[in-house]
Amino acid sequence: NAGVTQTPKFRILKIGQSMTLQCTQDMNHNYMYWYRQDPGMGLKLIYYSVGAGITDKGEVPNGYNVSRSTTEDFPLRLELAAPSQTSVYFCASRGQVLNNEQFFGPGTRLTVL
Amino acid sequence: QKEVEQNSGPLSVPEGAIASLNCTYSDRGSQSFFWYRQYSGKSPELIMSIYSNGDKEDGRFTAQLNKASQYVSLLIRDSQPSDSATYLCAVRYGGSQGNLIFGKGTKLSVKP
Repeated sequence: NAGVTQTPKFRILKIGQSMTLQCTQDMNHNYMYWYRQDPGMGLKLIYYSVGAGITDKGEVPNGYNVSRSTTEDFPLRLELAAPSQTSVYFCASRGQVLNNEQFFGPGTRLTVL
Repeated sequence: QKEVEQNSGPLSVPEGAIASLNCTYSDRGSQSFFWYRQYSGKSPELIMSIYSNGDKEDGRFTAQLNKASQYVSLLIRDSQPSDSATYLCAVRYGGSQGNLIFGKGTKLSVKP
């Protein structure tokens, strides 16, 4: 099992550009999450999904969009990138049981200049 | 506003000592509490979870929960340089989605 994988590992964007951060998990988990982590800060929830076709906003959704067409994939779309979106982005997934562990991907380090 | 508060540190302890990490939370209805370890440049990994008042031990790690005081802590006994990392406290708040709120983390440095 690869667990949770994310691509790319690093990316530099110019202001106003758009991109998609990819996240895939092979554990057949229903729940998937996107977090951002700014330096010296904890994780902030951007969007989450409870299953294919179902997504909802987290704490900091502005400037992002998501889709969940399959159980495995949960891409995060950035439209009109802004410097405030410079951060490390983590994707996570967990199984059905409420207190199941969240497994994290390796992260994508994004810089917007 | 649901919040999870941690002392950002850095907390520095000598090798072999006990490291004590603390966390307070604002949502009195929270039921589940987690400690994640994050090495620099890496993703968080779960090291402890606790759901009931009292202590839970796993090897050199002990999690302590006091729901009346809205306080959860992590003790690391016989600290090793390899324990040097940022420790994130996470609280699962109410609702069926099981979403977590994370504290900002405490940076621990264990000196040889």
